[in-house]
Amino acid sequence: AQSVTQLDSQVPVFEEAPVELRCNYSSSVSVYLFWYVQYPNQGLQLLLKYLSGSTLVKGINGFEAEFNKSQTSFHLRKPSVHISDTAEYFCAVTPYENTGGFKTIFGAGTRLFVKA
Amino acid sequence: DGGITQSPKYLFRKEGQNVTLSCEQNLNHDAMYWYRQDPGQGLRLIYYSQIVNDFQKGDIAEGYSVSREKKESFPLTVTSAQKNPTAFYLCASRSSGAYYNQPQHFGDGTRLSIL
Repeated sequence: AQSVTQLDSQVPVFEEAPVELRCNYSSSVSVYLFWYVQYPNQGLQLLLKYLSGSTLVKGINGFEAEFNKSQTSFHLRKPSVHISDTAEYFCAVTPYENTGGFKTIFGAGTRLFVKA
Repeated sequence: DGGITQSPKYLFRKEGQNVTLSCEQNLNHDAMYWYRQDPGQGLRLIYYSQIVNDFQKGDIAEGYSVSREKKESFPLTVTSAQKNPTAFYLCASRSSGAYYNQPQHFGDGTRLSIL
């Protein structure tokens, strides 16, 4: 079985400051990793994904994430945030094997609040 | 543009009433999913379907039902047996090519409330 823990439920930060949203996962098999963003009253949009290769992954809107296999982490970072980055961010994993339709397991989410 | 359309955006349910949430996709995806989202709990899987005329229960299927008669459509019925239906419901789909490494595409959700 897999689980995803997002270590912060809320992260307040000032505009133009850097931010890191933390994600740890647990799995007995290898997984693919994703970060999604959700704006109010909307669905989730893909920010970035790690499938294989370089452990530093770049996504949309200036976000990047680093996969650390030994620490089973996939933290999301942005060097300088904007007001428009205020949203909820979800870390998710999908196991390599067909354990029930390749189900994706989502973390509980981190609400990023960017202040002027 | 391809995408997923959920309707209605807002829905109100009376006691003892069944309601159906619509989900339509034109992405030609084989797999479709229904999630329930409650504050602070992330997304919980209700049902999923990997192919037409087949679907499987997710983690919280009690009080819900689905059908998959067409590839494009995966409606969710919230029955009167679901005692706490107030939530935000999200429909998603995924291509079947390399199932497990493809991201899911989401609709904009339906917010269901009890009258």
